[in-house]
Amino acid sequence: EIVMTQSPPTLSVSPGERATLSCRASQSIGSNLAWYQQKPGQPPRLLIYGGFTRATGVPARFSGSGSGTEFTLTISSLQSEDFAIYFCQQHNNWPPLTFGGGTKVEIK
Amino acid sequence: QVHLQESGPGLVKTSETLSLTCTVSGDSINNNYWSWVRQPPGKGLEWIAYIYHMGGTNYNPSLKSRLTISVDTSRNQLSLNLTSVTAADTAVYYCARGLGATIFDVWGQGTLVTVSS
Repeated sequence: EIVMTQSPPTLSVSPGERATLSCRASQSIGSNLAWYQQKPGQPPRLLIYGGFTRATGVPARFSGSGSGTEFTLTISSLQSEDFAIYFCQQHNNWPPLTFGGGTKVEIK
Repeated sequence: QVHLQESGPGLVKTSETLSLTCTVSGDSINNNYWSWVRQPPGKGLEWIAYIYHMGGTNYNPSLKSRLTISVDTSRNQLSLNLTSVTAADTAVYYCARGLGATIFDVWGQGTLVTVSS
């Protein structure tokens, strides 16, 4: 099973600032990584897949990068609606498909 | 617009079977892979299984011995049955459409299932 580790657990950022979230895989997964955003009481929303491909309707301020075992989600200029929990998920080796523990982006 | 709606009992007794249904509208269940994902309250996400309408399934090994998922193409629904439940199975259960088999691009709102004696 591939273990996904996200850091930091909590990220405090001011609106308009840049946020950088990290995700590490326990073994190489190529570029097969997805990012999801989840707000309280809502299901996750797909943001990025294949490491860097934005899902339909996702604003350009969200970008994904990385390959192998190290990945980054960057939010270039945080908007109020971006404060949420972000999960990474590997889609390279399964079963099982696995998620990271999440990074909560909160208002500084 | 694609819409997924989970339904089923909100409370299941310990050692019994958890049964959920996901009704899909706006898309045919024949067109995609479909997954179940769960999230214990306040915790992270756990993939449960996926299914393709031709009957191909793939289960999380940690749940495989207790798990059955299926599709009903005539009703455009997928179903989940998890036997011998314990408190550790308490979670919000989501159904999700697959972008391919392994990426989840549309999610239901989820349904909270509590396991208690």
